[in-house]
Amino acid sequence: QSVLTQPPSVSGAPGQRVTIPCTGSNSNLGAGYDAHWYQQLPGTAPKLLIYGNNNRPSGVPDRFSGSKSGTSASLAISGLQVEDEADYYCQSFDSGRDVFGAGTKVTVL
Amino acid sequence: QVQLQESGPGLVKPSETLSLTCTVSGGSMNTYYWSWIRQPPGKGLEWIGHIYYSGSTNYNSSLKSRVTISVDTSKNQVSLKLSSMTAADTAVYYCVRRVSYSYHMDVWGQGTTVTVSS
Repeated sequence: QSVLTQPPSVSGAPGQRVTIPCTGSNSNLGAGYDAHWYQQLPGTAPKLLIYGNNNRPSGVPDRFSGSKSGTSASLAISGLQVEDEADYYCQSFDSGRDVFGAGTKVTVL
Repeated sequence: QVQLQESGPGLVKPSETLSLTCTVSGGSMNTYYWSWIRQPPGKGLEWIGHIYYSGSTNYNSSLKSRVTISVDTSKNQVSLKLSSMTAADTAVYYCVRRVSYSYHMDVWGQGTTVTVSS
């Protein structure tokens, strides 16, 4: 059971907007710790997608955006593209340890 | 451009100790945490632990009795030792740089696959 809860899968047609929720608690996101998001393409290492709730590293398209409110965070992908098909993980900090969600598989229909 | 490269045995026998090394190139180890993350086949990411460049450590409580992470800044290396290996420890092991101020993980190694089998 992950400390951060994500849906196992979401899907959308090319061009659509999808969102991935990440639900935490008062000991992690609700305590003020940031949410971060990673994209893992098949067979590759995870890559930082969003840090500090809503910041994109250099090179990440602005189709990806993040937000956080209270004990929840979310990742939005607008203008969904075939190459966005991947697993997405949220991460935060809780009780002295780094914690991850179980991951969400995004399928482009 | 900082790069991380994991190295170590791909096959470990049950009950043995896994030893992995991560070599950091293209940048300083100072002011960062250095983490080990693993991913069992078909599953999600699990935080093993991390070490600050100065040497202080923090471990996943579920692995704490078996894990040791060390750093050698003179060699630009971080090491992981995991004892009493079982099949449940079969996974891809990643070396990761963790940023001090917001705890995000901004640089990942390519990962090394470790299989536990006799």
